[in-house]
Amino acid sequence: DAKTTQPNSMESNEEEPVHLPCNHSTISGTDYIHWYRQLPSQGPEYVIHGLTSNVNNRMASLAIAEDRKSSTLILHRATLRDAAVYYCIISSNTGKLIFGQGTTLQVKP
Amino acid sequence: DTEVTQTPKHLVMGMTNKKSLKCEQHMGHRAMYWYKQKAKKPPELMFVYSYEKLSINESVPSRFSPECPNSSLLNLHLHALQPEDSALYLCASSQVGVNEQFFGPGTRLTVL
Repeated sequence: DAKTTQPNSMESNEEEPVHLPCNHSTISGTDYIHWYRQLPSQGPEYVIHGLTSNVNNRMASLAIAEDRKSSTLILHRATLRDAAVYYCIISSNTGKLIFGQGTTLQVKP
Repeated sequence: DTEVTQTPKHLVMGMTNKKSLKCEQHMGHRAMYWYKQKAKKPPELMFVYSYEKLSINESVPSRFSPECPNSSLLNLHLHALQPEDSALYLCASSQVGVNEQFFGPGTRLTVL
């Protein structure tokens, strides 16, 4: 299973964009990049996933480097409700998710 | 209905007790998962069921025994647990393969 490296914590101001980085240099050609987040006292919540191309959905955008060794989760306008631990996960097609330490995002009003 | 429900919300048990955790979903998902999460740590995968058959066991001790009686239900039977097994136990479900996993709120287990 490919490992991921994320900063332990990041801060953002409310209503500003947030770029959460993730390094995954050992990713293999068929591995997917997933992002989940976990709000306090809740189970993890799916954010987005992709393989090679950049992806957009109603929650966020995922920018994947051309060599796929890194990716960035983009929250376009952070709100206080986006304060959470964000996990970048690399998985094969088995559905097996191995969570790393994640990035704790603080959003300041 | 995009919800995964877990019961009970909280459970306290002694080391000699036998108890079960229950997870249910009605989204037609054929993959279901158990994770364990200790305080301030990320979730750790324990088991994966695919089409009601156990497909992945992440070397979990035999005092944890999963069961998938049908496509909507997933149980985790607990026996002779240790205090270090105290944690939040999370259930998730998804379509089989690379798909969004839906997580339940978890059962907070305390072993005395």
